[in-house]
Amino acid sequence: VQLLESGGGLVQPGGSLRLSCAASGFSFSHYAMTWVRQAPGKGLEWVSGISGGGDSTYYADSVKGRFTISRDNAKNTLFLQMNSLRAEDTAFYYCARTVGDYWGQATLVTVSS
Amino acid sequence: VLTQTPLSLSVTPGQSASISCKSSQSLLHTDGKTYFYWYLQRPGQSPQLLFDEVSRRFPGVPNRFSGSGSVTDFTLKISRVEAEDVGVYYCMQGLHLPLTFGQGTRLEIK
Repeated sequence: VQLLESGGGLVQPGGSLRLSCAASGFSFSHYAMTWVRQAPGKGLEWVSGISGGGDSTYYADSVKGRFTISRDNAKNTLFLQMNSLRAEDTAFYYCARTVGDYWGQATLVTVSS
Repeated sequence: VLTQTPLSLSVTPGQSASISCKSSQSLLHTDGKTYFYWYLQRPGQSPQLLFDEVSRRFPGVPNRFSGSGSVTDFTLKISRVEAEDVGVYYCMQGLHLPLTFGQGTRLEIK
């Protein structure tokens, strides 16, 4: 199982970023997927989850209405569209399979002017 | 809310360690499963699953680790702590949305 995040970077407050997570080594469409973030030096925060088929999505209150999780099962890829970014969204963003039996290496999102 | 104690732990190699995680809500589902997990995040690494459903050890996790508890009170025990056990231990509940993690317990070696 491999999960490889990409798409992080420096963005100004109010800006947008789209994170991707390329999955391999398992039947991607059979598994729910999750985004978890970790502000530098802080603990883990669940951000969003999506069912295997993509028909059910879930969000933390802190990102609801600003972030959108989606997946492309044909391309074995998970996404997180992040809009209206705030300084407090600065974190390492991990994708994980289901409730975290496998994790990626994270991509860093920095929101700063 | 998940409350972990202690928040930090300093252990002599070969000694045991115990971490508690208490939930403000029952984590026992009507399907009979308890949606409670333990993770270890070693320095500079991604978190890794240690236990799911309270006590089901993830492949590769040494037998020195054990998970126990039920409903709202859970414990992670490490017998014979080794240097490789250093890191931050997190509990997580997967029953109620939003999913939540404990604050983390930092384990260091004396």
